[in-house]
Amino acid sequence: KAGVTQTPRYLIKTRGQQVTLSCSPISGHRSVSWYQQTPGQGLQFLFEYFSETQRNKGNFPGRFSGRQFSNSRSEMNVSTLELGDSALYLCASSFVAGGVGANVLTFGAGSRLTVL
Amino acid sequence: GQQLNQSPQSMFIQEGEDVSMNCTSSSIFNTWLWYKQDPGEGPVLLIALYKAGELTSNGRLTAQFGITRKDSFLNISASIPSDVGIYFCAGQPYYGGSQGNLIFGKGTKLSVKP
Repeated sequence: KAGVTQTPRYLIKTRGQQVTLSCSPISGHRSVSWYQQTPGQGLQFLFEYFSETQRNKGNFPGRFSGRQFSNSRSEMNVSTLELGDSALYLCASSFVAGGVGANVLTFGAGSRLTVL
Repeated sequence: GQQLNQSPQSMFIQEGEDVSMNCTSSSIFNTWLWYKQDPGEGPVLLIALYKAGELTSNGRLTAQFGITRKDSFLNISASIPSDVGIYFCAGQPYYGGSQGNLIFGKGTKLSVKP
């Protein structure tokens, strides 16, 4: 069973640009969550999608957005990049959303974004 | 927002030593999870706990869900070099009838004693 696949693994952007990251969940997993990981803040929840609908959203500005497609693949977009957006962006999938045990997340290897 | 206090932040281990780390929260959690992250990889699930008082083992790893539902600990017995990495606790908060998304601790970094 293939794991969670994230692309690209590494990318470098400059301030003001926008970026789109992609995530393919484990086959059969319908919930996809995104986290931002930085040395200072640790893992911070961005948003969760289930059946193409955003179920929950973390405390990030509107520059951070996402979507989920009918095949459960998900993308996240960051517009007008700032230096502080440099981070490892992790995608995780789970079989269902909600309920005990639903949040046993399987993570991808992440997309490391550097903003210059 | 809610935070998990994970300690220690870092520790050095010598092969064969036992290791303990814990997480505490000011509010109740329904689920406690422990993950390990190696450099350049995403976190990998080690142990999942679902009931207060639950004690679960995975090889040399043992974790417990605190009775108050506000804490959890992870023990590693007889550590080996490949135990090096960053360990995260994660909890699923309970908001009066609904489940929240996972909240993560800041991590405990295990390194080998020089």
